[in-house]
Amino acid sequence: GQQVMQIPQYQHVQEGEDFTTYCNSSTTLSNIQWYKQRPGGHPVFLIQLVKSGEVKKQKRLTFQFGEAKKNSSLHITATQTTDVGTYFCAGQAGNQFYFGTGTSLTVIP
Amino acid sequence: DTEVTQTPKHLVMGMTNKKSLKCEQHMGHRAMYWYKQKAKKPPELMFVYSYEKLSINESVPSRFSPECPNSSLLNLHLHALQPEDSALYLCASSRRDPSYNEQFFGPGTRLTVL
Repeated sequence: GQQVMQIPQYQHVQEGEDFTTYCNSSTTLSNIQWYKQRPGGHPVFLIQLVKSGEVKKQKRLTFQFGEAKKNSSLHITATQTTDVGTYFCAGQAGNQFYFGTGTSLTVIP
Repeated sequence: DTEVTQTPKHLVMGMTNKKSLKCEQHMGHRAMYWYKQKAKKPPELMFVYSYEKLSINESVPSRFSPECPNSSLLNLHLHALQPEDSALYLCASSRRDPSYNEQFFGPGTRLTVL
């Protein structure tokens, strides 16, 4: 079964508002990646986190890996209509690799 | 070239047909992956090839048969599929396995089984 859960499943925000998606794994992960999939598109790699407690920023996006390496978050500041899509975390544990359940973001202009 | 290409883009097949999906990358990546994605669901890993050898098969039914003829090509042979196999089939590649590094995805083949 699915071992990597994300919340919320859906999020509607007004343009300019912030957005956060949370990713939780039942097992300790060796690394976690984040992908964005636009409607009708394919997943596009955003970032990889490897170290416990790691925080990385990409312009308006902030990614965090939990101290126990079981959870992660993606925060978008001041959303824009171009941020629309589904955000997936993806974690590796040993030889296993799972995508999270995804959070679908809608940005209302 | 930082692109993964997949053909065909769309495929409609009957349950008795045999067809193949193709994937190609010229980034020198040595790990290639097949995923299945149903609507509004995350991609599910099916197969992993590392240095042209099948390294992981996630208990996929035998009606799906992968093949890696060389380091740039990945095929997925389909035979006697079921309607529930209808989905988007994504190919991806990454620099190396088993660390599942940054994966580059192709645009996918949208498969419909009648």
